[in-house]
Amino acid sequence: DTEVTQTPKHLVMGMTNKKSLKCEQHMGHRAMYWYKQKAKKPPELMFVYSYEKLSINESVPSRFSPECPNSSLLNLHLHALQPEDSALYLCASSQAWGWGSSGANVLTFGAGSRLTVL
Amino acid sequence: AQSVAQPEDQVNVAEGNPLTVKCTYSVSGNPYLFWYVQYPNRGLQFLLKYITGDNLVKGSYGFEAEFNKSQTSFHLKKPSALVSDSALYFCAVRDPTGGGNKLTFGTGTQLKVEL
Repeated sequence: DTEVTQTPKHLVMGMTNKKSLKCEQHMGHRAMYWYKQKAKKPPELMFVYSYEKLSINESVPSRFSPECPNSSLLNLHLHALQPEDSALYLCASSQAWGWGSSGANVLTFGAGSRLTVL
Repeated sequence: AQSVAQPEDQVNVAEGNPLTVKCTYSVSGNPYLFWYVQYPNRGLQFLLKYITGDNLVKGSYGFEAEFNKSQTSFHLKKPSALVSDSALYFCAVRDPTGGGNKLTFGTGTQLKVEL
């Protein structure tokens, strides 16, 4: 299995709702990432988990709350979002976070969850 | 700070013609460079990378890239474009600070291959 699976593919939520995005990989990768991407723009890193511990938080507002229940799963909990948070949210994984070997740094991305906040 | 620049927002090429998507970089230390492609409503897909070694790097789907240290460039090329190559292409450089796998992406180049 060489895929990163994200659910749901589309999500529409109001500003008072609580929802979650889910990401799953079975490649044995030990680093998992959340990116936010606006239309026709590059992805922006939000969070990185390495060995199920939060390694990077790029000063993301607390209305986004990541969770890594195990080495295969990554969640992004959403609460009290703003319309400007509407975007494509991409999950990615790599063999490792550390720069240990030449093959450890390629990211495998999921297809994304397109979020619309009304 | 490291950065990559993609000077062209869009590149148009006829099918069967060679294509080039440009990328220049600015890094302190050794550059670790990547190309990713994004098809509509999809995530990014890895095409190729330069870490060290040969300046000509071959990747997926017939793409290759040439690392040029003197010109600080890492242009993506393909000898014969296909309509199915139409997509958004991102150049990226690894951020050497923090010891991790953080990438800095360029602004992207929309490639349109026409019949």
